[in-house]
Amino acid sequence: AQSVTQLDSQVPVFEEAPVELRCNYSSSVSVYLFWYVQYPNQGLQLLLKYLSGSTLVKGINGFEAEFNKSQTSFHLRKPSVHISDTAEYFCAVRLAAGNNRKLIWGLGTSLAVNP
Amino acid sequence: GAGVSQSPRYKVAKRGQDVALRCDPISGHVSLFWYQQALGQGPEFLTYFQNEAQLDKSGLPSDRFFAERPEGSVSTLKIQRTQQEDSAVYLCASSLAGATTGELFFGEGSRLTVL
Repeated sequence: AQSVTQLDSQVPVFEEAPVELRCNYSSSVSVYLFWYVQYPNQGLQLLLKYLSGSTLVKGINGFEAEFNKSQTSFHLRKPSVHISDTAEYFCAVRLAAGNNRKLIWGLGTSLAVNP
Repeated sequence: GAGVSQSPRYKVAKRGQDVALRCDPISGHVSLFWYQQALGQGPEFLTYFQNEAQLDKSGLPSDRFFAERPEGSVSTLKIQRTQQEDSAVYLCASSLAGATTGELFFGEGSRLTVL
């Protein structure tokens, strides 16, 4: 079975500072990895995904993430955050093979960007 | 509309009442998912449809939960004899046919409160 651990439930940061949101996963088989963002009162939105190939993936709004197979991690980073990045961020995985389409989610990390 | 639409956005039910939650996916999206998100938790998979076929209902927590998508478009999640532990946000998501990338487009959710 797969599982996802988001290591920080809350991350406060000042505007224009860099941020890293940590995600570790557990799986005995290959998985796809995702980061979704949930802005207040909005639905979940895909930030970026790793399927295969380059381990550094770039997403929307200046976010990027690096897949590290040996450490089973997929940490999300942004070099300079804005107030508008304040949101809940979720890491998720799904099996890379087969017809199983369901996503396994972490508990989320609340990013609070302060002026 | 262009996005996934869910109704009602908020529902308050007395324990023991039946509720029905509706999801209108993005036009042309073959796959439809229901997730349950309890307060402070990540989404938990409930069920998955491809067109009108319910391919996976392994996440439905009990036989009080029932989902249908009779014409392969709109879906309804029904909860019979609601219990307090059913209080959560119910998320609907859709994706393109054969989308192995796992990019889901989410609605804003239906928040159910059972008193």
